Amino acid sequence: NAGVMQNPRHLVRRRGQEARLRCSPMKGHSHVYWYRQLPEEGLKFMVYLQKENIIDESGMPKERFSAEFPKEGPSILRIQQVVRGDSAAYFCASSPPSIRVVQYFGPGTRLTVL
Amino acid sequence: AQSVTQLDSHVSVSEGTPVLLRCNYSSSYSPSLFWYVQHPNKGLQLLLKYTSAATLVKGINGFEAEFKKSETSFHLTKPSAHMSDAAEYFCVVSLTISNFGNEKLTFGTGTRLTIIP
Repeated sequence: NAGVMQNPRHLVRRRGQEARLRCSPMKGHSHVYWYRQLPEEGLKFMVYLQKENIIDESGMPKERFSAEFPKEGPSILRIQQVVRGDSAAYFCASSPPSIRVVQYFGPGTRLTVL
Repeated sequence: AQSVTQLDSHVSVSEGTPVLLRCNYSSSYSPSLFWYVQHPNKGLQLLLKYTSAATLVKGINGFEAEFKKSETSFHLTKPSAHMSDAAEYFCVVSLTISNFGNEKLTFGTGTRLTIIP
């Protein structure tokens, strides 16, 4: 059973460009979470999605950031018009649809904005 | 509201000596608590979890943690450090999103463990 897959592992963008980060959950997992880790900090929750639904986006910046988890295909975290402050590691986690279960993390995407 | 405080940002121990990484939590609900480890430029790996069963939790690689409700602590220990233990360790508390049954994780700021040969 493959783990959580994220791609790309490294992404470089210039200010003003768009960044698309993809996450494929573990097989059988229908819940996806996105977290952001700024340099020298812990991870901060951004958004929690189930298939075709955003359940909790309380950690998402109000502008430029969006997330989706379509019926088919990976979850996408999209950042429009990136700025230098968006440079961070973005981690995706997935879990099965049960309470009090463990979230399994992907290797992360390291976004660098020039 | 919930929060996690990792009391030490850096810990250095000699190889073969005990490891203690301290964590205190605050939660309005009966919490689930976790320790994750992150090796340089890698993702996070679950070390162990507490979810209201036994208060002494054993994890992988010889780590264990004890849930102490009276002290609101969940310290991570290992009897004998190994060079491969050098990494960043995160204490995590979860909040069950009750309508949907799943968890929103709140991370501590991390403790960087250095092992001295």
